[in-house]
Amino acid sequence: NAGVMQNPRHLVRRRGQEARLRCSPMKGHSHVYWYRQLPEEGLKFMVYLQKENIIDESGMPKERFSAEFPKEGPSILRIQQVVRGDSAAYFCASSPVYRLQETQYFGPGTRLLVL
Amino acid sequence: AQSVTQLGSHVSVSEGALVLLRCNYSSSVPPYLFWYVQYPNQGLQLLLKYTSAATLVKGINGFEAEFKKSETSFHLTKPSAHMSDAAEYFCAVSAYAGGTSYGKLTFGQGTILTVHP
Repeated sequence: NAGVMQNPRHLVRRRGQEARLRCSPMKGHSHVYWYRQLPEEGLKFMVYLQKENIIDESGMPKERFSAEFPKEGPSILRIQQVVRGDSAAYFCASSPVYRLQETQYFGPGTRLLVL
Repeated sequence: AQSVTQLGSHVSVSEGALVLLRCNYSSSVPPYLFWYVQYPNQGLQLLLKYTSAATLVKGINGFEAEFKKSETSFHLTKPSAHMSDAAEYFCAVSAYAGGTSYGKLTFGQGTILTVHP
């Protein structure tokens, strides 16, 4: 059973470009979480999605960031008009059900560098 | 709202020595607690979790943690460190916090464990 897949693993963008980060959850998992890890910091929750629905986006910056999890295909985290402060590691996690005690399985992350 | 504090951003031990990584949480409702490990340039891997079944939780790779409600702590220990334990360790909490908590994890700042030969 393949784990959580994220691509690309590394992404370099210039200021003002768009970044698209993809996450394929584990097989059978329909719950996806995105987290951001800034340098020297822990992971911070961004958004929680189920298929075709955004359930909790309380951690998403108000502008330039969006996320989706379509019926078919991976979850996408999209950052428009990137700035240097967006440089970070972005991790996706998935779980089979929603429960507070449910284990979230993490992907290897996408490391975004904005020049 | 819940929060996690990990005391000590860096811990250094000798191979074979006791490993103790500290985690204190804040939550107004019963929490679920997790320890994850992150190796360089990799994702997070679950070591163990507390789900209220037992206060002493055993995880993978010889790690264990004890939930102490009176001290609001969930410290991670391993009797004998191995070189392969060198990594960054994160404590996280999940707790119901109203309408939109939905199981999102709140992480501590992380502790980098160095193991010396």
